[in-house]
Amino acid sequence: QKEVEQNSGPLSVPEGAIASLNCTYSDRGSQSFFWYRQYSGKSPELIMSIYSNGDKEDGRFTAQLNKASQYVSLLIRDSQPSDSATYLCAVISVGYSTLTFGKGTMLLVSP
Amino acid sequence: GAGVSQSPSNKVTEKGKDVELRCDPISGHTALYWYRQSLGQGLEFLIYFQGNSAPDKSGLPSDRFSAERTGGSVSTLTIQRTQQEDSAVYLCASSLVTRRTDTQYFGPGTRLTVL
Repeated sequence: QKEVEQNSGPLSVPEGAIASLNCTYSDRGSQSFFWYRQYSGKSPELIMSIYSNGDKEDGRFTAQLNKASQYVSLLIRDSQPSDSATYLCAVISVGYSTLTFGKGTMLLVSP
Repeated sequence: GAGVSQSPSNKVTEKGKDVELRCDPISGHTALYWYRQSLGQGLEFLIYFQGNSAPDKSGLPSDRFSAERTGGSVSTLTIQRTQQEDSAVYLCASSLVTRRTDTQYFGPGTRLTVL
């Protein structure tokens, strides 16, 4: 049973702060990791993908992967109210092509 | 080009009726996926098509659900004899699966309400 766990939140941060979103996964054979952002009533939008251990930065977003600990995180620097959304962690396991999603963490950024 | 498109955007139906949901993937994407998102639940995989291979139907919740993909492009998800528990947002995604990327891009979804 492949599982992806996220804290449901809400995670509340003030504008300008760093938001840290965390995700753990159960399948040690997982190979591809994604963070999607989903605004209320909208479909998921890809934020970051990461495949190797370490950090990957894209603008204000940094994804971090630690396969030994089966842990992936997303850091959002200089958080903005427009970042308020649900962030979904998703994983693809070796031998599979479909995404297993966590239930998402709601982020609230207050002005 | 355009992103993944889905139709209709909203569908209200009566219990027991059949419904068809359509997905147009991104041009050139070989893989197509259907997911379902119920209120308060995470995204649940339903079915996956890759090229001319047999589809992966392992996520379909019952035999009332079926899907086809014609000409390697457009896909239709059919739900027969709909039940109230089928009410959800049905999301389609497509990807270009290579050795270097398998990112899935989602369409806007179809919100299905079964009365």
